[in-house]
Amino acid sequence: DAKTTQPTSMDCAEGRAANLPCNHSTISGNEYVYWYRQIHSQGPQYIIHGLKNNETNEMASLIITEDRKSSTLILPHATLRDTAVYYCIVRPDNLMKTSYDKVIFGPGTSLSVIP
Amino acid sequence: GAGVSQSPSNKVTEKGKDVELRCDPISGHTALYWYRQSLGQGLEFLIYFQGNSAPDKSGLPSDRFSAERTGGSVSTLTIQRTQQEDSAVYLCASSSNRISQGNSPLHFGNGTRLTVT
Repeated sequence: DAKTTQPTSMDCAEGRAANLPCNHSTISGNEYVYWYRQIHSQGPQYIIHGLKNNETNEMASLIITEDRKSSTLILPHATLRDTAVYYCIVRPDNLMKTSYDKVIFGPGTSLSVIP
Repeated sequence: GAGVSQSPSNKVTEKGKDVELRCDPISGHTALYWYRQSLGQGLEFLIYFQGNSAPDKSGLPSDRFSAERTGGSVSTLTIQRTQQEDSAVYLCASSSNRISQGNSPLHFGNGTRLTVT
């Protein structure tokens, strides 16, 4: 089973920030939080990942709570092209020689950006 | 560089026939994953290859499904005696997972859309 829970769907007005939450209350200390999105008819696309600190790249920002039990993906200025299913997953740090990385996806959040 | 390549992009087959789906991962990636996605559904884990270790086949839905990865590179997913419920998009992903490179994202192909008539 997936180790994360996300809302089934969300709407966001075009040009506004989209804030997508994810709960991962059983996350282990060596597990990263990853976000992907899937636009219809395409394979999932990597967005961002983090361990403890907040992260930002050209696509999005990732805010991880201090206890690491939840996180939020922020798309600062949502566009119609951001309409997609967003997946939050956890994966072990493969710097550990014993890491086992069977990646399970949950159903994700279907984000609709409204004009 | 080249991403994950899957072939064919579309496959229509008759019920009862066998099919082979191919995945060419990114060169040097040690981990390879197969997922299945039925219409309107999420990604269903099928199988995971990690280097030379025995693959994790725990997601394969029946013994009609099998997969192999030759030489640690190309992978083939085989479905024998296809059924209509096998109709789905089959996605492949690869990841570096080399100890020296730390954690790395999964890179997905665009999938093979299988239709069983």
